This record gives sequence, C-alpha cells and structure tokens, in this order.
Amino acid sequence: SQQGEEDPQALSIQEGENATMNCSYKTSINNLQWYRQNSGRGLVHLILIRSNEREKHSGRLRVTLDTSKKSSSLLITASRAADTASYFCATVNSGNTPLVFGKGTRLSVIA
Amino acid sequence: GAGVSQSPSNKVTEKGKDVELRCDPISGHTALYWYRQSLGQGLEFLIYFQGNSAPDKSGLPSDRFSAERTGGSVSTLTIQRTQQEDSAVYLCASSGNTDTQYFGPGTRLTVL
Repeated sequence: SQQGEEDPQALSIQEGENATMNCSYKTSINNLQWYRQNSGRGLVHLILIRSNEREKHSGRLRVTLDTSKKSSSLLITASRAADTASYFCATVNSGNTPLVFGKGTRLSVIA
Repeated sequence: GAGVSQSPSNKVTEKGKDVELRCDPISGHTALYWYRQSLGQGLEFLIYFQGNSAPDKSGLPSDRFSAERTGGSVSTLTIQRTQQEDSAVYLCASSGNTDTQYFGPGTRLTVL
C-alpha cells in the first residue's frame, strides 16, 4: 500500500522557473528519499533526508522534511527541459528495508 | 562501476505461460529488492532479500509469484501461469551499507 501522497499529481512550468513538489506520509520514518523516473523505466536516486534533518541541498535540488507534519517538499530551482520526468518520494521505516512509494508528480518543463 | 542490470528489457507472453525475470545487482550489495509498477500506479514492493536472511515475501500478490537469490548475488523473479493483470514494469534495486537503493532499468512485461 502507498505510504505517501505527492502533490500536485502533475505540474507544468516554463524553463527557468522553480518547481515545488510536496509529499505527505503516514507513519514514522527513518528517512525519506526522492527519485526521478524518465519514461516509465528505471528510477534515479536524487536525495535522501534523514528523520533528524530538516533541510538538504544537492545542486539545484532542495529538500525539506517536517516530521511533525509528516511532509516533505522537493524544490528544483532554475528548471530545465531535461528535468521533465516523474518524481517520487519514498519512505523507509528502518534500516535497509523496502521503500514505500507515493504515486508521483509528473513534471513538464516547457522550453 | 556497473549498475543494476535486468533482463530481458521487454517480455511479451501469453496468458498462462510462466516467465522468469533476472536481476544482477551491484557487486557487493547485500540487499536486493523487487518492485512492480503497473500502468498509472505507483511502485509496489514485492520481495526483499538481505544477506543470508530469509527473504521478506510480504509484498508478493499471489502464490504464482516467487523469487530466489543465488549465491547472494543474481536474483530471478518467477511468475507462474501469468495473467493479464501481471502486466507491468518489474524493477529491481540493490543497496549496500547506505539506505540508498539503486534501481535497474526494469523489465516491461506484457501478458496477452
């Protein structure tokens, strides 16, 4: 069963704009991860944030985590057409256990 | 280094046939996972191997699904008597000492 819900389900922006995607989850977690998927195939790991962290940066990506609200956000700054993909959040309850995914946000960046 | 590989990349089969999907994890990774992504759906956990421990099969949707991992490396997911609802992309992932899972490109299974 899905743990998380991404919001919005679909997002369309112009190149150069920022894109913000949100994720909510239901149970306590060890960490939360964001993945990107192009064309319905393999997932690429973007960033991991642990339950004791509030914010992380990686290049043009910024992730926040609010464990009190059981929510996370992914911000992509200065978006590019190549950022067009589906983005999923996934939670881990403990250790090396299976990821529990949300249904994803489909991002379209228009050149 | 080499990432996770999966074969075949595409498989078309007839209803009622058995299929085997293969996953080669990253060398040295002790954990291996199988997920399924159906059209328009999120990713669904199927089965998880960690070292020499008994696998976590809690996500397998029916007893037609089974998986094994030989020698702590390569894994095979077997679906017996395939049904049309088994059509999906089957994704394999592996992880080592960190919590990050590295995914293969997936196998797209179509059951006619």
